Amino acid sequence: DAKTTQPPSMDCAEGRAANLPCNHSTISGNEYVYWYRQIHSQGPQYIIHGLKNNETNEMASLIITEDRKSSTLILPHATLRDTAVYYCIAYAGGTSYGKLTFGQGTILTVHP
Amino acid sequence: DTGVSQDPRHKITKRGQNVTFRCDPISEHNRLYWYRQTLGQGPEFLTYFQNEAQLEKSRLLSDRFSAERPKGSFSTLEIQRTEQGDSAMYLCASSLVFGNTEAFFGQGTRLTVV
Repeated sequence: DAKTTQPPSMDCAEGRAANLPCNHSTISGNEYVYWYRQIHSQGPQYIIHGLKNNETNEMASLIITEDRKSSTLILPHATLRDTAVYYCIAYAGGTSYGKLTFGQGTILTVHP
Repeated sequence: DTGVSQDPRHKITKRGQNVTFRCDPISEHNRLYWYRQTLGQGPEFLTYFQNEAQLEKSRLLSDRFSAERPKGSFSTLEIQRTEQGDSAMYLCASSLVFGNTEAFFGQGTRLTVV
């Protein structure tokens, strides 16, 4: 799976959009971009994934650049409960289904 | 709640003792994974099962570690002769083989070796 690079930490004001960037310049054509988050003392939680097109679900939006070398996870109205470590993962699936390679992620702190 | 459950949530053991953790995956999930997470790091893959077959093991899984999934349902992870370096959070996850590919994680078992 391709290596991903994320900033170590970010801050966001409650109620504002949180935009978390991820670089994956060596991503291959069959690799999806997955986002998970981990709230303190809990297991990671799936947020969203995409291949080429932008994706949106009830938790977040995922914007992938046309060249697929970077992406941005958007939490449209961040709350204090969104404070967590956010992991961006390039993942090919197939025989590696579920075997995720986590980096160190971005610590997002949402403040009042 | 029908999510992935792990037991115990916390375990303190003396160096040299054996410990065993249990994971109950989401019932219809064929695949089950074990990860280890140390402080300040992301989770690291240890091993996974498809039904009862153990299909892959990381080189992180030393000879002191053994995992089983005897009937393709729950799984156990045993660590023999624990060392202080084994102190970590042990996470279990499960997923379907086909269709939705997201993995669902349990809350983890935090092991402290003293």
